[in-house]
Amino acid sequence: QKEVEQDPGPLSVPEGAIVSLNCTYSNSAFQYFMWYRQYSRKGPELLMYTYSSGNKEDGRFTAQVDKSSKYISLFIRDSQPSDSATYLCAMYSSGGYNKLIFGAGTRLAVHP
Amino acid sequence: KAGVTQTPRYLIKTRGQQVTLSCSPISGHRSVSWYQQTPGQGLQFLFEYFSETQRNKGNFPGRFSGRQFSNSRSEMNVSTLELGDSALYLCASSLAEDGNSPLHFGNGTRLTVT
Repeated sequence: QKEVEQDPGPLSVPEGAIVSLNCTYSNSAFQYFMWYRQYSRKGPELLMYTYSSGNKEDGRFTAQVDKSSKYISLFIRDSQPSDSATYLCAMYSSGGYNKLIFGAGTRLAVHP
Repeated sequence: KAGVTQTPRYLIKTRGQQVTLSCSPISGHRSVSWYQQTPGQGLQFLFEYFSETQRNKGNFPGRFSGRQFSNSRSEMNVSTLELGDSALYLCASSLAEDGNSPLHFGNGTRLTVT
């Protein structure tokens, strides 16, 4: 079993939809959680960074962490065609020397 | 502020050769880590350096090695290339020594081994 599970999709939604992306993890030592967006032929771009349970909002993006359930989510409001990309969740623990464990990535397509 | 810079962007090598990839972190960042991304395995951790010391290493053979210089720039080397080494190699930098700071990635070096 992988330490981080993420549904690879693909996920196809109409423009303007609310998108929900999710990851579950098994290692309770994970403390820091990130969401990245990766376009084709590019490196992962940091979208959200959280280290506590609860919600964090940044523009159209909301990251949610539930440590008791070992579950994290990313919500995208008013999705745009430019949001079409692969979304990766990643996490690490203190003492792990910045070793990130990634989910498989969810491919999202937003169609006009 | 400039982001993480990786050179070269693309490389084509033949089996048995060796290759060196370069990474310049964000100014002020002292932690540099390397990841391999393939369609089958996703993103996998290779190793991490802080202040010229390797602190952590992933499950890769000894053919994969790296180093960090006093200016925090880093290089990774792959010797005796195999076809399976074809991948996107990504470098990430972080401000913090351990935790409490996100990792920022470069656009990677696409290595093709023929």
